Amino acid sequence: DAKTTQPPSMDCAEGRAANLPCNHSTISGNEYVYWYRQIHSQGPQYIIHGLKNNETNEMASLIITEDRKSSTLILPHATLRDTAVYYCIVPPSPGSARQLTFGSGTQLTVLP
Amino acid sequence: KAGVTQTPRYLIKTRGQQVTLSCSPISGHRSVSWYQQTPGQGLQFLFEYFSETQRNKGNFPGRFSGRQFSNSRSEMNVSTLELGDSALYLCASSEGDRGQRTGELFFGEGSRLTVL
Repeated sequence: DAKTTQPPSMDCAEGRAANLPCNHSTISGNEYVYWYRQIHSQGPQYIIHGLKNNETNEMASLIITEDRKSSTLILPHATLRDTAVYYCIVPPSPGSARQLTFGSGTQLTVLP
Repeated sequence: KAGVTQTPRYLIKTRGQQVTLSCSPISGHRSVSWYQQTPGQGLQFLFEYFSETQRNKGNFPGRFSGRQFSNSRSEMNVSTLELGDSALYLCASSEGDRGQRTGELFFGEGSRLTVL
């Protein structure tokens, strides 16, 4: 997988936007960026994925830079339930989206 | 739609024993992947099954095996258990169409194995 780098931890005030960065400078042209999160003691949960255009769904927005070397996951109005480890993942090829390499992720703590 | 169901949720075994874990994917999903999560190694891919065939395999010893049935349910087996096999074992299902990037894995709650 293209190597991804994320800060180990971040804090965010409840109700504010949480912006989680990810560097993937070795990403190649056909590799997608995926985001998952894992709330303590639960299985990971898919959030969003994208190739080069910005993406938005009911959970979050994904902003990918024009050179695709970095991205930012945005949770527009963070709640206490958003406290989790967030993983940015770049699988190496189409069809490998089910063979994911999870790094250490970012521990997001939403503060009341 | 029911989610991914894993059984048992918790189990305790002793070294040398074997264990079988079960996973029922979301209805209509044909791909089942297995992951191991430990505090030291994080989440690691074990293998993926699609239409009863192992399609991908991670870097685990042969003591770890799996299979998938015609109804897409999957089992994984670990033989000759070692202390280091203590982990949360997660199953994930997806539509699994190789022809397109489906992107989304749906994970179960996991089976927590403790080896004494």
